[in-house]
Amino acid sequence: DQQVKQNSPSLSVQEGRISILNCDYTNSMFDYFLWYKKYPAEGPTFLISISSIKDKNEDGRFTVFLNKSAKHLSLHIVPSQPGDSAVYFCAASGNQFYFGTGTSLTVIP
Amino acid sequence: EAGVTQFPSHSVIEKGQTVTLRCDPISGHDNLYWYRRVMGKEIKFLLHFVKESKQDESGMPNNRFLAERTGGTYSTLKVQPAELEDSGVYFCASSQAPGVPGELFFGEGSRLTVL
Repeated sequence: DQQVKQNSPSLSVQEGRISILNCDYTNSMFDYFLWYKKYPAEGPTFLISISSIKDKNEDGRFTVFLNKSAKHLSLHIVPSQPGDSAVYFCAASGNQFYFGTGTSLTVIP
Repeated sequence: EAGVTQFPSHSVIEKGQTVTLRCDPISGHDNLYWYRRVMGKEIKFLLHFVKESKQDESGMPNNRFLAERTGGTYSTLKVQPAELEDSGVYFCASSQAPGVPGELFFGEGSRLTVL
């Protein structure tokens, strides 16, 4: 019973364009949301987060949007760069961290 | 400062055998977590230690899995006897303060293949 869902297993984007990764969750009690980035043979690394009291958080090329009523968040990367190619995991924090299945992003030069 | 380290990076064993995975958290991190990712699926919570105590072990699949953290430093996760469905990547993570966003640091994972 997955509480955090990433319905797109993969995404391809041209360099310089915007990448939009989506995530849905089921538990309205989650109070913090995070995105992790994972390269092959490495562990996930923290990218950006957002509190449930906000609807947007921006850090350089990365912006996370939260729509609480829809229980949906998204990660925008603009402009996308080839080095952004990785698997991105959405996570939600309640009494523990719950992760999605990941979206593999490929940025084409 | 060293990050979270895990050993072995890859283990291949036969069904019925035993495997022990080890995790060394970042020094000073009281919180240690074990997660597992089966191919293509989510990173799934297994358990959480605060120092040497098990805070939450609700994600442990069954009693073939045993986690310990003697002395509150490194942790081991033993699978005995291993089954085919135990194959996956086991991640360890640590944090200084529980639930603080962005402060969950992951190791590189231990890939377990059960034949």
